[in-house]
Amino acid sequence: VIWMTQSPSLLSASTGDRVTISCRMSQGISSYLAWYQQKPGKAPELLIYAASTLQSGVPSRFSGSGSGTDFTLTISCLQSEDFATYYCQQYYSFPWTFGQGTKVEIK
Amino acid sequence: EVQLVESGGGLVQPGGSLRLSCAASGFTFSSYEMNWVRQAPGKGLEWVSYISSSGSTIYYADSVKGRFTISRDNAKNSLYLQMNSLRAEDTAVYYCARGPGLIDYWGQGTLVTVSS
Repeated sequence: VIWMTQSPSLLSASTGDRVTISCRMSQGISSYLAWYQQKPGKAPELLIYAASTLQSGVPSRFSGSGSGTDFTLTISCLQSEDFATYYCQQYYSFPWTFGQGTKVEIK
Repeated sequence: EVQLVESGGGLVQPGGSLRLSCAASGFTFSSYEMNWVRQAPGKGLEWVSYISSSGSTIYYADSVKGRFTISRDNAKNSLYLQMNSLRAEDTAVYYCARGPGLIDYWGQGTLVTVSS
């Protein structure tokens, strides 16, 4: 099983801030990493896959980087609609695993 | 437009069974790998099971292995999850999810509550 450590679990920020979320793997996964956004009462939505490829329709203020064991999601200029919970997920090997989640809240 | 619509959730007693269904539309269902992912109330996401496009390859999370069975009917554009020997810790929203790893479409979810 590939264990994931996502940090921080809670991030307080203001509109316009640049925020970064980290995801660290217990072993290398190449670039088989996805990031999702989830709002309360809704299903998750895919933001980024293959560590750095932006899903169609996702604003360019979202970006992903990393490979191997360390990955980062960056939101360059936080907008009001970005306050949500974010999850990383590895799909390198079964069982696929998700990070614990990072809630981005209004400061 | 891709749509995944789950059904079959509800309240069930510990040790009971439930069968979830997912009706797919807006894409060629038989060409896509599918999954079930769940989320316990107030908790994070947990991948549950995977099935290949033909149904020939299946994987399960250890937490459900031997109790849950994933299946699909490509002629009916449907995905299923048969859940037996249910436990309180299986209480969650269950999502039908499309993808070979990365999940590009999710259903709205169906709530399963295991309680006496």
